[in-house]
Amino acid sequence: SQTIHQWPATLVQPVGSPLSLECTVEGTSNPNLYWYRQAAGRGLQLLFYSVGIGQISSEVPQNLSASRPQDRQFILSSKKLLLSDSGFYLCAWMIGTGFSGNTIYFGEGSWLTVV
Amino acid sequence: DAKTTQPTSMDCAEGRAANLPCNHSTISGNEYVYWYRQIHSQGPQYIIHGLKNNETNEMASLIITEDRKSSTLILPHATLRDTAVYYCIVRNRNYGGSQGNLIFGKGTKLSVKP
Repeated sequence: SQTIHQWPATLVQPVGSPLSLECTVEGTSNPNLYWYRQAAGRGLQLLFYSVGIGQISSEVPQNLSASRPQDRQFILSSKKLLLSDSGFYLCAWMIGTGFSGNTIYFGEGSWLTVV
Repeated sequence: DAKTTQPTSMDCAEGRAANLPCNHSTISGNEYVYWYRQIHSQGPQYIIHGLKNNETNEMASLIITEDRKSSTLILPHATLRDTAVYYCIVRNRNYGGSQGNLIFGKGTKLSVKP
């Protein structure tokens, strides 16, 4: 069966410090991968998605970047964090083949507080 | 923007059926209806999805109207652990990259009470 893991689960970072959140998927190949953010009291917002190694698409302009160095690894980064980067970050995956109605599955989430 | 409309909150007595409505009047023939729920401080959990037929799994049933403009998620015997925010989402079946994205609205906060 497929599983998704992301870490760290919680972190507190000062303004201006770098960020690295990592996500890995097991039990599948060539998944579509996603990074979402959920600010306090708000819905989920798609930040990045990837359909393959090295292929990253950004949905919103921001202070963050994403990379996919391996098929089942997705990394969210920032060189200098802003207070507005605080939130709940979620990695998600979906089967990358052409079946319609495939489901997106989410990781456990990472709570980021920028102070 | 989310293509669905849901009530902000609902209450349900423990052991009773919880019926969560969703309006998606602009849904197209290529779009599925998905339901997720999110318990506080956790990632969203997939519940069920459907295109035009009613669907049932071990968690819930999904009833889609014939015109597909609305649907209802039914939790047959709600428990306290079903307290969560429930999201109804429409998504294009012909995905490719962000077309596979789920656009979450604000959902319905379901409170199951003893």
